Amino acid sequence: ETGVTQTPRHLVMGMTNKKSLKCEQHLGHNAMYWYKQSAKKPLELMFVYSLEERVENNSVPSRFSPECPNSSHLFLHLHTLQPEDSALYLCASSQKGPTATNEKLFFGSGTQLSVL
Amino acid sequence: GQSLEQPSEVTAVEGAIVQINCTYQTSGFYGLSWYQQHDGGAPTFLSYNGLDGLEETGRFSSFLSRSDSYGYLLLQELQMKDSASYFCAVRSPQDTGRRALTFGSGTRLQVQP
Repeated sequence: ETGVTQTPRHLVMGMTNKKSLKCEQHLGHNAMYWYKQSAKKPLELMFVYSLEERVENNSVPSRFSPECPNSSHLFLHLHTLQPEDSALYLCASSQKGPTATNEKLFFGSGTQLSVL
Repeated sequence: GQSLEQPSEVTAVEGAIVQINCTYQTSGFYGLSWYQQHDGGAPTFLSYNGLDGLEETGRFSSFLSRSDSYGYLLLQELQMKDSASYFCAVRSPQDTGRRALTFGSGTRLQVQP
């Protein structure tokens, strides 16, 4: 157990569906992240929520919409996805300090998403 | 932008020593980290190097040379449970101007009996 819980573990959806991924961290951290992991590719940072501030990767399509209602919960809302969006979506949390040098990420086990 | 290079696969036998290399190109640098991920599991933090030299944690060690933009993860006395993917990651400024982790593509380590 890493202290970061993601649901669901697996999700199959059609291109016209709307679904949401959920992440909850029990570590008291002040930053949460969404990463995309595709086969044989680097983990790709999608969004960061830090100290109530949202930071986006400008290459993420608008069909992905994050929501962070508080420091413990993070959602990723999905709509009109494409088959190439099929991947493992990982949530992570960390404690950001003033210098943030040795910052450790704690990951959830991910949601394996398949878009048909 | 940022880029990291590491071998895609490495195979070794139980009890052996294996070294996984990582070279990086970044516009700024604030440390090199290593993460382990078993199939179907979450990536977990292994080590961090902020300064040049060797950091040792049990059977695992990590090395950094900032002048060479190079680091490695050394695994000793390999065990079957070490079969996993290993990712290097650098903390550097992103396009947003903020620091974040950029990951390599990962090295899949297969430990054989």
